[in-house]
Amino acid sequence: AQKVTQAQTEISVVEKEDVTLDCVYETRDTTYYLFWYKQPPSGELVFLIRRNSFDEQNEISGRYSWNFQKSTSSFNFTITASQVVDSAVYFCALSEVYNFNKFYFGSGTKLNVKP
Amino acid sequence: ETGVTQTPRHLVMGMTNKKSLKCEQHLGHNAMYWYKQSAKKPLELMFVYSLEERVENNSVPSRFSPECPNSSHLFLHLHTLQPEDSALYLCASSETGGSGEQYFGPGTRLTVT
Repeated sequence: AQKVTQAQTEISVVEKEDVTLDCVYETRDTTYYLFWYKQPPSGELVFLIRRNSFDEQNEISGRYSWNFQKSTSSFNFTITASQVVDSAVYFCALSEVYNFNKFYFGSGTKLNVKP
Repeated sequence: ETGVTQTPRHLVMGMTNKKSLKCEQHLGHNAMYWYKQSAKKPLELMFVYSLEERVENNSVPSRFSPECPNSSHLFLHLHTLQPEDSALYLCASSETGGSGEQYFGPGTRLTVT
């Protein structure tokens, strides 16, 4: 069965520190997509990145980077030089390609960045 | 308006009331979703509409009734709710198929008294 695990419930860092949010997934599908979302205190989930199962290249976007490793079924997210505005809950999700885009969300990691 | 909008943003209702939540997407998508987010619980998928047909009903109690009159609008009709139904209700939209990311609205914070 499909499952996404975010073992870190809450992380606190001081501004400018680097922080990595872990995501481990389970699926029997060979084709799938992985996502990260950010949920600031306002409540709206903001899409950050999508990765398909055939593309294991790491990606960097500004201070954000993602490390996808199929061998360990992990899709970790690193924020470099964290800022207070990064404080939010971050969700990792897995989608089934053949099932109308049904998402399986992890339970989220709350990131607190202190000044 | 752009993206996904939801109204109202906040709603307080009694257990005997009937109310509706509205979601509208301006992205040209053809799949829409209702999620429930309770405190300290994972996001729960409630309903999925694809091409205006309901394709998923995740064992949601009948006091929640969805309606999708067209690909841009989604409603969630509420009646005789319970206090445990208090939560943030999020609407999302996407292209059909498994590859598209879902775009979320800001949510409706519902409190049942």
